[in-house]
Amino acid sequence: DAGVIQSPRHEVTEMGQEVTLRCKPISGHNSLFWYRQTMMRGLELLIYFNNNVPIDDSGMPEDRFSAKMPNASFSTLKIQPSEPRDSAVYFCASSRAGGITDTQYFGPGTRLTVL
Amino acid sequence: SQQGEEDPQALSIQEGENATMNCSYKTSINNLQWYRQNSGRGLVHLILIRSNEREKHSGRLRVTLDTSKKSSSLLITASRAADTASYFCATDGNDYKLSFGAGTTVTVRA
Repeated sequence: DAGVIQSPRHEVTEMGQEVTLRCKPISGHNSLFWYRQTMMRGLELLIYFNNNVPIDDSGMPEDRFSAKMPNASFSTLKIQPSEPRDSAVYFCASSRAGGITDTQYFGPGTRLTVL
Repeated sequence: SQQGEEDPQALSIQEGENATMNCSYKTSINNLQWYRQNSGRGLVHLILIRSNEREKHSGRLRVTLDTSKKSSSLLITASRAADTASYFCATDGNDYKLSFGAGTTVTVRA
């Protein structure tokens, strides 16, 4: 099992540019989560998909952030336009059923730096 | 706001010693999970304890849960250099969301 795959692992961009982060969940998992981790705020849930459908995006900080899951094996998180305060590590995680007892499997993260 | 909060924030121990960290939370839970994060990596699930359980073991890990005090502890016995990492507790509410604490950073000295 390859685990959750994220790309790119590192992204450096300039303020105002569009950034797209990608995630491939574990095969057979039907829940997908996007998190953001910073020193100041810790790990924050941004959005949650179940069976490719966005269930709760209340954690998405602003309209500049959007996420899609066109199929069971791929999701994107887009920031447009990016700002320096978006600099963080973004994690994608997946779980088998998304229930409250389910273990979440995290990807290695994408470290985003916005200059 | 974060549901779970770990204590201490940082812990430095000698290899072979035990490491204990605590997690306190505010509202009632169904389950509590502990995760480990090595530097530059994603979180890895360690153990899940249900609200009706008081203690659980997994290898060198021992987790306790006291729902009356809304607290949990994670004990790592006979620590190794590879245990150097940040440890997070995650609590659930009445929905699917896991709420992570700020973490305890553990350094195991050789």
